[in-house]
Amino acid sequence: DIQMTQSPSFLSASVGDRVTINCKASQNINKYLNWYQQKLGEAPKRLIYNTNNLQTGIPSRFSGSGSGTDYTLTISSLQPEDFATYFCLQHNSFPYTFGAGTKLELK
Amino acid sequence: QVQLKESGPGLVQPSQTLSLTCTVSGFSLTSYNVHWVRQPPGKGLEWMGRMRYNGDTSYNSALKSRLSISRDTSKNQVFLKMNSLQTDDTGTYYCTREGVTTSFDYWGQGVMVTVSS
Repeated sequence: DIQMTQSPSFLSASVGDRVTINCKASQNINKYLNWYQQKLGEAPKRLIYNTNNLQTGIPSRFSGSGSGTDYTLTISSLQPEDFATYFCLQHNSFPYTFGAGTKLELK
Repeated sequence: QVQLKESGPGLVQPSQTLSLTCTVSGFSLTSYNVHWVRQPPGKGLEWMGRMRYNGDTSYNSALKSRLSISRDTSKNQVFLKMNSLQTDDTGTYYCTREGVTTSFDYWGQGVMVTVSS
């Protein structure tokens, strides 16, 4: 199984900050990497698909990059509604696997 | 518009079987795959298995011996059955779709399942 190591687990930041979240795969996942935002009690919301494609309706302050085994989600300027949990998903091979999540908190 | 909705019992006794239904609208089960994903309280997500557009299934090997996914295309429903439930099967269960050009874009709202006597 492909292991997805996500870091950091917790991130404390302020409105306006630029933040990055990383996912490292245990093997090449060929850019089949999605990023999701999840708020308490809600279903995951897809932000980025296949490494760097912005989901329709998602603000352009969200971006993704990476290749091979290393992937990054960047939020260029945090807004109050961005404080949530973020996780990655690799859908290159079964079993699909998720990162453990990053909880983004207001400093 | 595209919608997925999970339904099923909120409480299941240990050693019993969980039966969940994912009812979809806005797309065809013969064109898209439907996956089941679960999330224990306060923890990360686990991929459980997939019903492919052509009726084939794939399962997480960690659950394969207990898990079965089926469908009724006439009712736009995908079913999950998992037996021998234990307390660590407690969590929120989601269904989500995957297509040729899209992956896990739409999700259901999830159904919370508690395994307890």
